[in-house]
Amino acid sequence: KAGVTQTPRYLIKTRGQQVTLSCSPISGHRSVSWYQQTPGQGLQFLFEYFSETQRNKGNFPGRFSGRQFSNSRSEMNVSTLELGDSALYLCASRQLQTNEKLFFGSGTQLSVL
Amino acid sequence: AQRVTQPEKLLSVFKGAPVELKCNYSYSGSPELFWYVQYSRQRLQLLLRHISRESIKGFTADLNKGETSFHLKKPFAQEEDSAMYYCALSGGNTPLVFGKGTRLSVIA
Repeated sequence: KAGVTQTPRYLIKTRGQQVTLSCSPISGHRSVSWYQQTPGQGLQFLFEYFSETQRNKGNFPGRFSGRQFSNSRSEMNVSTLELGDSALYLCASRQLQTNEKLFFGSGTQLSVL
Repeated sequence: AQRVTQPEKLLSVFKGAPVELKCNYSYSGSPELFWYVQYSRQRLQLLLRHISRESIKGFTADLNKGETSFHLKKPFAQEEDSAMYYCALSGGNTPLVFGKGTRLSVIA
């Protein structure tokens, strides 16, 4: 089985721009979660989608949004980028929305200049 | 609110010495606790979960509800244990909340 795939691996943007990150979960997994990872704050939860519905949302501003498609693939969008948005964005999937283990992707490294 | 605290950012031990990575949590209900590990240039992956009560790569962790702790232990550290370790908590249908992580460095 292929693992969780995130594209692109690296992104460089400037302040004020917007960005879209993509995540393909493991086949058969219906839950996709997104995390922001920074050296100072560790992993911070952004949101979780299950069967195209957002089930949980973290404490991030409305500039951060996401969606999930019928094939369980997910995208997250960040609008009006700020310098502080520079981080590694991790996607994780699991079969159901229970306390199953999360399978993580390699992440998208976003740099905002 | 769920909260996970890992008091040590960095822990250095000699090869063969015991290791204890501390994790304390705050949660009003019945939590499920996990340890995730990220080796150099690898993906974040599950190491163990308290409900399984298993030993993985020689590591164990016991949930202490009285002290609200879930410390990770290994009696004899190996160089390949050097990695970033994250303690995480979930309560039912709530999302997995992570601590800020502890970097373990095993010195030969």
